[in-house]
Amino acid sequence: AQSVTQPDIHITVSEGASLELRCNYSYGATPYLFWYVQSPGQGLQLLLKYFSGDTLVQGIKGFEAEFKRSQSSFNLRKPSVHWSDAAEYFCAVGTQGGSEKLVFGKGTKLTVNP
Amino acid sequence: DAGVTQSPTHLIKTRGQHVTLRCSPISGHKSVSWYQQVLGQGPQFIFQYYEKEERGRGNFPDRFSARQFPNYSSELNVNALLLGDSALYLCASSLVAGAVKTQYFGPGTRLLVL
Repeated sequence: AQSVTQPDIHITVSEGASLELRCNYSYGATPYLFWYVQSPGQGLQLLLKYFSGDTLVQGIKGFEAEFKRSQSSFNLRKPSVHWSDAAEYFCAVGTQGGSEKLVFGKGTKLTVNP
Repeated sequence: DAGVTQSPTHLIKTRGQHVTLRCSPISGHKSVSWYQQVLGQGPQFIFQYYEKEERGRGNFPDRFSARQFPNYSSELNVNALLLGDSALYLCASSLVAGAVKTQYFGPGTRLLVL
């Protein structure tokens, strides 16, 4: 069965610093990968997705992610963090087949210090 | 265009009661999925519906049921509520069913069971 691991429960960075959030997945076939962001009390907003093709994908708000099949990873990066980026970030893998089930990791909470 | 909408935003129920949550997808989207997000965890897949038919079901008891209407809106019903059903319930819509498509999430309904 597919699974997603986000090893870091909580990360703190200073405003203007670079950011990398880790995501490892387990899935037998070619994965469809997503990063979502959730602000407190809100739903999930799609940051970016990988279906196929170029392994470096660009998303909204200056985020990017790189798919590395050999490492089963899909890490999220941002070169310079803004205070408004403070939120919880979820990595998810989509399954092939009849349903559109997404399997999510447990999330990484990002705190941004001024 | 309006995004995915959900009602109500908050709900308080007592154990043993029944609850109905509602979701309207993005205009033109025909697939609706439901997720449960317990505090501190990532969302867990409950159901997916497309063209009024169930396309996927997660590992949830039969107390959970759903349906989709001709206008593609959806209801999630939970019977015999337990304390453990307290969670944020998220609805997501996508354009079509079948191969993994991008899901767009609503703001959620926060359910508290006392």
